[in-house]
Amino acid sequence: GAVVSQHPSWVICKSGTSVKIECRSLDFQATTMFWYRQFPKQSLMLMATSNEGSKATYEQGVEKDKFLINHASLTLSTLTVTSAHPEDSSFYICSLRRGSGEQYFGPGTRLTVT
Amino acid sequence: GNSVTQMEGPVTLSEEAFLTINCTYTATGYPSLFWYVQYPGEGLQLLLKATKADDKGSNKGFEATYRKETTSFHLEKGSVQVSDSAVYFCALPNNTDKLIFGTGTRLQVFP
Repeated sequence: GAVVSQHPSWVICKSGTSVKIECRSLDFQATTMFWYRQFPKQSLMLMATSNEGSKATYEQGVEKDKFLINHASLTLSTLTVTSAHPEDSSFYICSLRRGSGEQYFGPGTRLTVT
Repeated sequence: GNSVTQMEGPVTLSEEAFLTINCTYTATGYPSLFWYVQYPGEGLQLLLKATKADDKGSNKGFEATYRKETTSFHLEKGSVQVSDSAVYFCALPNNTDKLIFGTGTRLQVFP
């Protein structure tokens, strides 16, 4: 399988500030990466598809100006939560697609906005 | 579009008990099917997969068989351990290769 890392693993920020989360593919060049959010005891919700060298594709209901995604290289995608609010507190997980539809996930980033 | 339904949890078992977590799917064609596991505080890990009908995926003592007659991909393990306590997600890709997840089933194994 592919190895995916995320940084930071845990972040606390104040309301109104912005937070950047990095997702790195350590052993695979990924043209497509995905960003999910997960609320406690719930399933994953796909936020957007990150495409290397082009604009991300956002799912319906996800604000693209609030959740900025940059996929600048084949091994790095970043998610920036702008002007964070307490309701943005969640577990953010990235993944990359490899092979016959399977995805490999990062360990997740827990964001707490106070 | 494609969809997946899995049994609600939590599933509570004693160590060494037999585990079944049901998963049924609706799909166009025969997409690959996956089981992912999420341990507390962590991201998802691919547990096993099956790429075509009648395939059996297996890993770490877990098994699941891709059954097109019953459109099912039930997860089984003959003897669970406390370390298997986690949330298990059944998943399949939709027609744009995005993964569709079930709601997740929490498994709690007690000694």
